[in-house]
Amino acid sequence: DAGVIQSPRHEVTEMGQEVTLRCKPISGHNSLFWYRQTMMRGLELLIYFNNNVPIDDSGMPEDRFSAKMPNASFSTLKIQPSEPRDSAVYFCASSFARGKNIQYFGAGTRLSVL
Amino acid sequence: SQKIEQNSEALNIQEGKTATLTCNYTNYSPAYLQWYRQDPGRGPVFLLLIRENEKEKRKERLKVTFDTTLKQSLFHITASQPADSATYLCALVNSGNTPLVFGKGTRLSVIA
Repeated sequence: DAGVIQSPRHEVTEMGQEVTLRCKPISGHNSLFWYRQTMMRGLELLIYFNNNVPIDDSGMPEDRFSAKMPNASFSTLKIQPSEPRDSAVYFCASSFARGKNIQYFGAGTRLSVL
Repeated sequence: SQKIEQNSEALNIQEGKTATLTCNYTNYSPAYLQWYRQDPGRGPVFLLLIRENEKEKRKERLKVTFDTTLKQSLFHITASQPADSATYLCALVNSGNTPLVFGKGTRLSVIA
């Protein structure tokens, strides 16, 4: 397996624009997690899914953020409208729910909102 | 409030020495604790897991201890090498089916 695949790797956009980040989890994994990482706050969990169903979105900072998982092999994180304070690295991770929660991370998307 | 604290943001050690990183937690009852390594521009990579009823776990030059009384885990790298330079993150799973909570990490630099 190629691991968790995220796209794009880098995204530069202007304030107010819509941003969509994409993730393909490892085949066979049934949990998917979206994180945001900054120097100040470290790695923060935004939302996670079990079997494509959102379980906990309490980490989503505002209504501007939304996430979907239409099937077991694809998820998106959308920010609309984007703001400069959303600039961060966004990671997607997947795991097998009965596998002690060991998570496998993608390479991340570095988002810069100007 | 619940907190996970890793002792320092950065740690510099000489090649060949043992690096010791600390992870302390407050107001958690972790079922198990994990350590990850993160290199610049990459996502974290799982290294080791230790359960609440285990005192110590080893993997090659890595050793993890877990003291639920002190609410602390120590992560050791023996005979450290420049290639060990990275950020190391601890993460715990609280009791119950809850997701991982990560510390902010310690950036280790091994100097040749």
